[in-house]
Order: sequence, then C-alpha cells, then structure tokens
Amino acid sequence: DGGITQSPKYLFRKEGQNVTLSCEQNLNHDAMYWYRQDPGQGLRLIYYSQIVNDFQKGDIAEGYSVSREKKESFPLTVTSAQKNPTAFYLCASGWQGNSPLHFGNGTRLTVT
Amino acid sequence: AQSVTQLDSQVPVFEEAPVELRCNYSSSVSVYLFWYVQYPNQGLQLLLKYLSGSTLVKGINGFEAEFNKSQTSFHLRKPSVHISDTAEYFCAVSGPSGAGSYQLTFGKGTKLSVIP
Repeated sequence: DGGITQSPKYLFRKEGQNVTLSCEQNLNHDAMYWYRQDPGQGLRLIYYSQIVNDFQKGDIAEGYSVSREKKESFPLTVTSAQKNPTAFYLCASGWQGNSPLHFGNGTRLTVT
Repeated sequence: AQSVTQLDSQVPVFEEAPVELRCNYSSSVSVYLFWYVQYPNQGLQLLLKYLSGSTLVKGINGFEAEFNKSQTSFHLRKPSVHISDTAEYFCAVSGPSGAGSYQLTFGKGTKLSVIP
C-alpha cells in the first residue's frame, strides 16, 4: 500500500538532547512537509522540500533542522535549541502545486 | 499572505442532527480550498477539495461544502451526523507563495462532538 510512514509513534527525550523523527513516503511525491500541532493552534509549518537536496523554512523553523537526501525520506531533527519541543509532529507529502497533501499518522514527542 | 479562520473551536451536536462547520479565508489571489478530518492520535485525511468549477463540493462520509467567493467562505455541512463523525476538522487554503510554489495554510480546527 502506498502511504507515509512516521516513526516512532511516541518518543520521549530528556531536555538538552537532539532527537530525529523519521518520515518515509512511497507515493513518489515531489514535495514533503513537516508540521507541528499543538492543542488549539492548528498546524504550523516547520520546513518543506519541493525537490531532493533542497528545502525551505516554514513559519516556525527555529530549533529544527531537516535533510532531503532521497526523494522518499525527509527526517526532522528537533535540536536542544527548540525551547518548547513537546508536541505532535506530522509529516505530509504531495505533488507540487495545488494538490492536496497526504499525511502520516504523526509522532508524539515528549521532552522532560 | 493568506489566512483561514474557523469560527467555532468546538461544536456539540446530537446524533442524526445536521451540522455546519464554518470557515472563512482571506487572500489577495485565487485560492484552492480543502477540508481535512483528524481522528484522535492520527494524521489528517482529506474530506473534500475545491479547485474550480461547481461551488458545491461533495466529499467522503456524506460531507459537502460550498465555496462562496463574495463572502470568502467555505463552510462544511452534513445533513445527519453519526457518532463516528466525532473528530477535529481543519479548513485549509492553498495559494501561490512565489517561484511557482504553493503554500497550504490551516485554520485552528473545530472539534465536532456528536452526542448520542
């Protein structure tokens, strides 16, 4: 089945540690996105990539980093510089342009 | 720049009653509109989309939405809700953000609670 796989589903880390969230898609989509979801705030765009080896900052990129070495993969690293990292993180992919996005099932990160 | 406002953060409704979830957007250019649904601890699923053509759009699970350009609205409706419709619903607008790319902007979501 084609889709987007995010792993792990739940992740716990101590403050000060970097952590990497995985996102893989087999839909052959060009574009991939990372969103952060907090209660009552909707989805906010962290980073997006329209093509391999290229990516752009979204609205809340500070404290995060990404890479796009392969079309299928778009990992997100939450660094120790992110002041409030506890959240639900959603990865999405789609064709460029106005096509709708396909979402993974998310990773819930808790930092204590 | 574009923005989306979902006017109600929570909507309780009795089972088999009709429901309308309201969405207004602002943009200086033509946009494309979407409704997504999110069940607890899951990702978002596309309910329906408006790209062009008929302003009444039908989606999955019996939902429909009407695009109203003059009122810049894209309200979601269902004539009779089921318990299984309990979820959070997100309105989103996609518009050009330069260099041939599009940016998708989400509203803050409306939690629909269906009461038995």
